Amino acid sequence: DAGITQSPRHKVTETGTPVTLRCHQTENHRYMYWYRQDPGHGLRLIHYSYGVKDTDKGEVSDGYSVSRSKTEDFLLTLESATSSQTSVYFCAISVGAGAYGYTFGSGTRLTVV
Amino acid sequence: AQSVAQPEDQVNVAEGNPLTVKCTYSVSGNPYLFWYVQYPNRGLQFLLKYITGDNLVKGSYGFEAEFNKSQTSFHLKKPSALVSDSALYFCAVRPALYGNNRLAFGKGNQVVVIP
Repeated sequence: DAGITQSPRHKVTETGTPVTLRCHQTENHRYMYWYRQDPGHGLRLIHYSYGVKDTDKGEVSDGYSVSRSKTEDFLLTLESATSSQTSVYFCAISVGAGAYGYTFGSGTRLTVV
Repeated sequence: AQSVAQPEDQVNVAEGNPLTVKCTYSVSGNPYLFWYVQYPNRGLQFLLKYITGDNLVKGSYGFEAEFNKSQTSFHLKKPSALVSDSALYFCAVRPALYGNNRLAFGKGNQVVVIP
């Protein structure tokens, strides 16, 4: 794989608590993305980054924030977790100039109780 | 904004029969098109892509897809399905000329290959 890891792989958290998911890449790619996957909705973009400290919102960004202080790390924070944020979260990197699509991490399964 | 439609939630096919998974797209200008596969409890894996050139593209595991610009379609095909092809398949699109490489994904198709 292209050296992209997500942590944790699984997490159970309580409603109202903050949660941070980490995406780490080893190959210095500029573009990184956070998606959530839900049945019937496919993959929906939460936030993306096009460089250190350069981020932008996707289609389902409410309740989420991101940070990218280093090229290799892209953090997704649920500021106050809700049950509607129970989902599988995938990080992706854009390889090359975009003509190669994405490489995905293995995902984080988050359950908010 | 770009979008993808995968009209069928689930595709059932007998092992050995041809498999087709449909995808239509909407995008400004020329598209870059992709198919990904997801096996249970795994991330998405790249299958194939169309960037330019021949409308029929070949990818991993014997899959191929045909780009049809007039019908804005990019259907995934396999001549003879295997039980191991049972998985979730996603079509994705982005404009060829775009600054942030964002992909739009369809909702996915569950493929079930029946032994």
